[in-house]
Amino acid sequence: DAGITQSPRYKITETGRQVTLMCHQTWSHSYMFWYRQDLGHGLRLIYYSAAADITDKGEVPDGYVVSRSKTENFPLTLESATRSQTSVYFCASSGTDSEQYFGPGTRLTVT
Amino acid sequence: AQSVTQPDIHITVSEGASLELRCNYSYGATPYLFWYVQSPGQGLQLLLKYFSGDTLVQGIKGFEAEFKRSQSSFNLRKPSVHWSDAAEYFCAVGGGRALNFGKGTSLLVTP
Repeated sequence: DAGITQSPRYKITETGRQVTLMCHQTWSHSYMFWYRQDLGHGLRLIYYSAAADITDKGEVPDGYVVSRSKTENFPLTLESATRSQTSVYFCASSGTDSEQYFGPGTRLTVT
Repeated sequence: AQSVTQPDIHITVSEGASLELRCNYSYGATPYLFWYVQSPGQGLQLLLKYFSGDTLVQGIKGFEAEFKRSQSSFNLRKPSVHWSDAAEYFCAVGGGRALNFGKGTSLLVTP
């Protein structure tokens, strides 16, 4: 399907476990982003990538790892999940202008 | 540093009434400005954007916004609200690729 997809849409995991959230876009956009959305905080940037193999930290990167070996994929890994990482995670991509296109989100619960 | 302030956390309007959502930003140069809407359980959808030129921009779903450099504002307006407009609205500012989002305004529409 064309567009930007995220998987899984819902995930429950335990404290200390590693979990990876997937993001895939079909537009060949060079830029991709990961945000987390929490009540009272709006959206906060975790990491972003300008191209394959180029990533940079955002506002709240601690506890997260990203990679981008292919232009279309931008996985986000929580190496050892904590309860404070319970959130809704949004992936976005951006092409030649600054408009960002958002995926449907992944709701992650860490117990 | 970039920042975005949406002073109103919640706004309630009657169906058919006019709407104005406020957004103030702090940015060192001429920013790129965006308004996004998020329906419950959904991702973010772009309503409109301002890059340069005419300071009154038209968007989808009958929304418009006016860029006022002297007031560092980019307020969103709609002349007549429909029940389907009930959602969360986010203002965002950027100068390159990463966007800085406000904390959002939740719109409730009453009959």
